[in-house]
Amino acid sequence: QKEVEQDPGPLSVPEGAIVSLNCTYSNSAFQYFMWYRQYSRKGPELLMYTYSSGNKEDGRFTAQVDKSSKYISLFIRDSQPSDSATYLCAMSTMGGSQGNLIFGKGTKLSVKP
Amino acid sequence: NAGVTQTPKFRILKIGQSMTLQCTQDMNHNYMYWYRQDPGMGLKLIYYSVGAGITDKGEVPNGYNVSRSTTEDFPLRLELAAPSQTSVYFCAGGSGIGSNQPQHFGDGTRLSIL
Repeated sequence: QKEVEQDPGPLSVPEGAIVSLNCTYSNSAFQYFMWYRQYSRKGPELLMYTYSSGNKEDGRFTAQVDKSSKYISLFIRDSQPSDSATYLCAMSTMGGSQGNLIFGKGTKLSVKP
Repeated sequence: NAGVTQTPKFRILKIGQSMTLQCTQDMNHNYMYWYRQDPGMGLKLIYYSVGAGITDKGEVPNGYNVSRSTTEDFPLRLELAAPSQTSVYFCAGGSGIGSNQPQHFGDGTRLSIL
């Protein structure tokens, strides 16, 4: 079982749709959970950052973490063509000096006008 | 404020050649990282540094070397290029794990080894 599993898609939705992106993981020591957005030929940029379980909302984006199920989600409301990108989940353990983010493979999202 | 800058953006190497991928940051980050991203795969950590003069291996360090003589620069060295090292390489800077500051990524170096 891979440490972080993410459905690679691709996922195609019409403009205005609600998008749900998900990752599951196996390491119960993960405490920090992130979603990165990566446009074509660009580096990943941080969208959402969550510590432990719970929800976090930022504009049209909502991140959810369920540590009991080892499951994280990113919801995008009122999706726009500019949201078309690859979305990577990432997670890390708490503390220490190791900069070891574990990434999912990424889900490629296309929002059609 | 440029953030994290990587050069070159593209490079083609022949098997057995060597090269250095450059990374510089102007965000005064102590932590710097090198990742590789293969098609359809997530990013995998090659090496990281928690400050000038301190480096450590990540998940996939074989075939690579790094140095960190200054806070700003973190070059990645390939000594004997192999086809398996064809990938997109990303450098990132950050305040370190355990903080609420994200890792900031450069735009990558696309490397092909033929």
